[in-house]
Amino acid sequence: DAGVIQSPRHEVTEMGQEVTLRCKPISGHDYLFWYRQTMMRGLELLIYFNNNVPIDDSGMPEDRFSAKMPNASFSTLKIQPSEPRDSAVYFCASSLATGDTQYFGPGTRLTVL
Amino acid sequence: QKEVEQNSGPLSVPEGAIASLNCTYSDRGSQSFFWYRQYSGKSPELIMFIYSNGDKEDGRFTAQLNKASQYVSLLIRDSQPSDSATYLCVNSIGNQFYFGTGTSLTVIP
Repeated sequence: DAGVIQSPRHEVTEMGQEVTLRCKPISGHDYLFWYRQTMMRGLELLIYFNNNVPIDDSGMPEDRFSAKMPNASFSTLKIQPSEPRDSAVYFCASSLATGDTQYFGPGTRLTVL
Repeated sequence: QKEVEQNSGPLSVPEGAIASLNCTYSDRGSQSFFWYRQYSGKSPELIMFIYSNGDKEDGRFTAQLNKASQYVSLLIRDSQPSDSATYLCVNSIGNQFYFGTGTSLTVIP
């Protein structure tokens, strides 16, 4: 298996622009997680899905952030409009079952100017 | 509310020594714990997980869990420069992982 795939790997955009991050989980994994990592706050869970259904989005910082999972093999995290404070590395992870090991994708490094 | 607390370090040990990384947690209902290693600029990768009180060994790595005292630790024996990374303690509660902020380890050749 190729592991968790994320795209793009790097994104540089200007404040106010829309940003869409993409993730393909490991096939057969029922859980998908979106995290954000910064030096100041470490790894923060933004939202997670179970069988394509959002279960907990309490970590989503604002209404500017939204996430979807239209099918078992694809998820998006969208930021509209983006702000400089959104600059971070965004990781997608997937796991087979509750409390099971989470496998991380390579991350998307987002820079908002 | 932080679920997991780690000493951010940095922790420096000479090559060949034992590195000891510690983590405390607040939720007595915590079920399992994971240690992830993250190299600079890379994604976290699983090192070990532990569910039961006591020690669990895997090669040079030993995870220790003490539920009464609410701490979990990771020992790295015969430390190598390639072990230099940030180590993240993770508490699994229900469906969610709670990550500590990580301890930066440097192994000095």
